Order: sequence, then C-alpha cells, then structure tokens
Amino acid sequence: DAGVTQSPTHLIKTRGQQVTLRCSPKSGHDTVSWYQQALGQGPQFIFQYYEEEERQRGNFPDRFSGHQFPNYSSELNVNALLLGDSALYLCASSQKGQLYGYTFGSGTRLTVV
Amino acid sequence: KQEVTQIPAALSVPEGENLVLNCSFTDSAIYNLQWFRQDPGKGLTSLLLIQSSQREQTSGRLNASLDKSSGRSTLYIAASQPGDSATYLCAVFLGNYGQNFVFGPGTRLSVLP
Repeated sequence: DAGVTQSPTHLIKTRGQQVTLRCSPKSGHDTVSWYQQALGQGPQFIFQYYEEEERQRGNFPDRFSGHQFPNYSSELNVNALLLGDSALYLCASSQKGQLYGYTFGSGTRLTVV
Repeated sequence: KQEVTQIPAALSVPEGENLVLNCSFTDSAIYNLQWFRQDPGKGLTSLLLIQSSQREQTSGRLNASLDKSSGRSTLYIAASQPGDSATYLCAVFLGNYGQNFVFGPGTRLSVLP
C-alpha cells in the first residue's frame, strides 16, 4: 500500500520563475495538506484541499496556490519565486472528517537561486 | 495564535543515556499532540500521538506526556542509541479549531557511540 508520493524530490529554480510540485495521497485518503519547512525550522501550514477546493489556508501570500484533481492528487504552485521560498515542501494526506491518521510524504526540496 | 516552542534546540548525549525533550504550546485548545521524527532531508515519521484527554502514551523506549492545562509535553527516550539521532518535532493538531498542525522548531538530537 503506497504512502504519500511527492515529485520531484529535488528542484532548482531561478528567482522570479514559477514552480509546480505534485502530491499523490495515500490510498483511501481524499484530503491533502501542504507545509513549508525552511532549514532549521518546523513545518508551516500552507493550505488544505478536499473535494477539489481550498478549505483552509495558513499565512502565505497569494503567490502560493494549489489545485486538487478528481483522483485526490494535488499540486502546489508558487509564482514569482523568491530566495526565501527555498525550503522542503511537505504534503500530508488524510481522510476528510477524520482528525487523525495524517500521513506525510518525504517532501520536495526546492532551491531558489 | 497558537505557538509551539521546543527546548533544547540541540542535544548531544553518549549512548545509553535517558533523555527528555520538552515542548510548550500557548493555547490549550488542541485536539491532540504528536511527536514526529525527521531524519536529515527527509519527511516526518509519527512516533506518538496523545489525544487531548490523555496524559501519556508509550511506545517501546519512548514515552510522551501531555499536560494540556499548563501547555506542556515531554518526550522521554530511554537507553538512547546512535540510531535515535534525528530531529524530533512536536506538533499540536487543532482539530475542530482548524484542521492543521502547528509545529515547534524541533530538537536536534545526536547520540554518540
């Protein structure tokens, strides 16, 4: 039973560019949450998707946007990249309405140069 | 606004020692608290989950306690081993107060052979 799959594992982008990160949730899960973890810090909540809509959002600018597909997979898009966007981006999946059983992926390491 | 802190930021101990990691949170309105392990550049592995109504949870050499009224949790690791070397993250899950985790910055643990 596959867990949460994220792609790519590593990515290097230039300041000002746009990036798309992808997440496939664990089998049986329909809710995807995204977190940003800067070096040496704990993860910070970006947003959560279920039923193909953004349901909750953390304190991140509109440059961060997302999408959820009918198969529950999700994308995180970041526009106009800044050096400060360099981080490990983690995806977590769960079942809608269940307040436990979150599973985290291994993350995508984004470096902005 | 919920904030989570962890002390110490880093810890280095010889193999075999018992150790305690500390976590504090500012708002007692939580659904549960989880301790995660993170190896360098990797995702998160859940170690222990304590529901807000519980006082402690144990798994093998790990024991976590929760005092919701004082906003504190501790993770006790018995007979530490070099394989325990990792970053340990404390996170509160807001549940019906907001379905996302708020993480602390982590404690980086090194267990020396």
